[in-house]
Amino acid sequence: SQKIEQNSEALNIQEGKTATLTCNYTNYSPAYLQWYRQDPGRGPVFLLLIRENEKEKRKERLKVTFDTTLKQSLFHITASQPADSATYLCALDPWSGYSTLTFGKGTMLLVSP
Amino acid sequence: DGGITQSPKYLFRKEGQNVTLSCEQNLNHDAMYWYRQDPGQGLRLIYYSQIVNDFQKGDIAEGYSVSREKKESFPLTVTSAQKNPTAFYLCASSISVTGELFFGEGSRLTVL
Repeated sequence: SQKIEQNSEALNIQEGKTATLTCNYTNYSPAYLQWYRQDPGRGPVFLLLIRENEKEKRKERLKVTFDTTLKQSLFHITASQPADSATYLCALDPWSGYSTLTFGKGTMLLVSP
Repeated sequence: DGGITQSPKYLFRKEGQNVTLSCEQNLNHDAMYWYRQDPGQGLRLIYYSQIVNDFQKGDIAEGYSVSREKKESFPLTVTSAQKNPTAFYLCASSISVTGELFFGEGSRLTVL
């Protein structure tokens, strides 16, 4: 069956450390993968998009990798801050660019001072 | 400022009543979407529209209806046929169906 898996357990880290969140998928062939941030009771906010032919993408303290062989994307936040605490969602297009996004359930990140 | 406006933010209704959630965007985006989010669940697509006067069912369209009479507006009606309507509803738009999504702040519907 088709699945997008993100860690259901919250990730707790200390301020200043690097947070790494994982998104694994099975039985999809996405042309790209996106990451969103969602705060409680708010709508998700787009962070980064990475295409299948890109190994890595960076934006300020954020870095995303995309390994189509492993069927995995890693999302890193370096020098994490308490303000980074939120739920992070990964989303992919299931059929190589011709359909709407499918979302994972998200992983909650808690950064303590 | 460009963005997506959803209203109302909170809505309470009795069982058996239809309710309509509003979604307006001024981003000049062609595509608009409605998602439902339940605790511990990912976003699930209800309906989407790629162009005015056209829309497609998503994964969980049963019990919902939409219209797209204007580019800026994509209202969602939760009908009495929807068995579990209590949820957080999110509207989004994008330049195209393959682009990044811009979300509204959501509407929380509680059916009593």
